Amino acid sequence: DQQVKQNSPSLSVQEGRISILNCDYTNSMFDYFLWYKKYPAEGPTFLISISSIKDKNEDGRFTVFLNKSAKHLSLHIVPSQPGDSAVYFCAASSGNTGKLIFGQGTTLQVKP
Amino acid sequence: SAVISQKPSRDICQRGTSLTIQCQVDSQVTMMFWYRQQPGQSLTLIATANQGSEATYESGFVIDKFPISRPNLTFSTLTVSNLSPEDSSIYLCSVGRDRLPYEQYFGPGTRLTVT
Repeated sequence: DQQVKQNSPSLSVQEGRISILNCDYTNSMFDYFLWYKKYPAEGPTFLISISSIKDKNEDGRFTVFLNKSAKHLSLHIVPSQPGDSAVYFCAASSGNTGKLIFGQGTTLQVKP
Repeated sequence: SAVISQKPSRDICQRGTSLTIQCQVDSQVTMMFWYRQQPGQSLTLIATANQGSEATYESGFVIDKFPISRPNLTFSTLTVSNLSPEDSSIYLCSVGRDRLPYEQYFGPGTRLTVT
């Protein structure tokens, strides 16, 4: 039972354009959602999070949107840069256990 | 964020043997976690490593196969026992912030290949 899903395994965008990565979840008890970026041979790096009581959080070029009614969140990267090319994971947590449940990841390629 | 190191970074092991992975953090942390990332798959939580108590394992993972030690607030080990080719994965440790939004910071991972 996949509680967090990233249905697009890959995405390719042109440098300078917007990248939109999507994530769906099934468990309405999740109270925080997080995005991670992972380069090959490295551990995931925390990017940005959003509380379930908000619908938007912005940090520089990265913005996460949350639609609770649709159980959907998205990460927008504007403008996209070649260094953004990586695998992006969304993750969700509930309560104060600290546990994270990850989606399958989306490989983003930003072309120069 | 904490600086996390893992040893070894990679290893090739024979079927039936065991591998112990070390995770060192540069500061004291309460919550530490161990994950597995099988080829082409997502990160799956193996267990939560609690200092001073037994690790808490997720469904599908058992202590006999994945014994964990947490002797202090900066160190943990994960042993993968009785290795089979299906254990070939990347194993990652992470530390959790103890306040909202409880984000985790990951080590670089250990790539295990079982032959």
